[in-house]
Amino acid sequence: GENVEQHPSTLSVQEGDSAVIKCTYSDSASNYFPWYKQELGKRPQLIIDIRSNVGEKKDQRIAVTLNKTAKHFSLHITETQPEDSAVYFCAAKDQAGTALIFGKGTTLSVSS
Amino acid sequence: DTAVSQTPKYLVTQMGNDKSIKCEQNLGHDTMYWYKQDSKKFLKIMFSYNNKELIINETVPNRFSPKSPDKAHLNLHINSLELGDSAVYFCASSQDLVSAGGLTFFGPGTRLTVL
Repeated sequence: GENVEQHPSTLSVQEGDSAVIKCTYSDSASNYFPWYKQELGKRPQLIIDIRSNVGEKKDQRIAVTLNKTAKHFSLHITETQPEDSAVYFCAAKDQAGTALIFGKGTTLSVSS
Repeated sequence: DTAVSQTPKYLVTQMGNDKSIKCEQNLGHDTMYWYKQDSKKFLKIMFSYNNKELIINETVPNRFSPKSPDKAHLNLHINSLELGDSAVYFCASSQDLVSAGGLTFFGPGTRLTVL
């Protein structure tokens, strides 16, 4: 089945800096790659997603890039703010298309 | 206008007890899931149901039994609770099998503590 690796596990940045989180997936048939943000004690919330027919997608300060050949995708957050501090998860839809398979998460800390 | 709801939010119980967690979605979705989030924050798929039928049953002990009385509900019953079952359990839903595992919405989670 699908396996998703995520790096780094923790990331500390200064307010205003950029943050990049990277993921790789194993199943070349995977075609949907969302990113979720989870604040402490809350549910995971979708922040951006990308499908395999697109190489890049941007929404204000966040962007996601996908390299299908290398089977990796990345989340980019620019001009980070303290409220960006959270755990971020990447995910991929598995071959059967039956569920999202998640990476192990990145704890992002933005200090002011 | 809660999209995916779960009850209870917190569940504290003794080892060996049996407990249930209820989940409901009002999005008209066909596919529902249970995920387990352990103390290291890892989100692991447990079960996937499509139109009340079991699609995925990952390597989960058979003490865990999901039940889907209708498309909008997916409950999780756990028998003979063990210390290792302590975790946050998230219910989730997505539109249908074609987009299943696609746009997925999560419930608020149930924090289960087994003493």
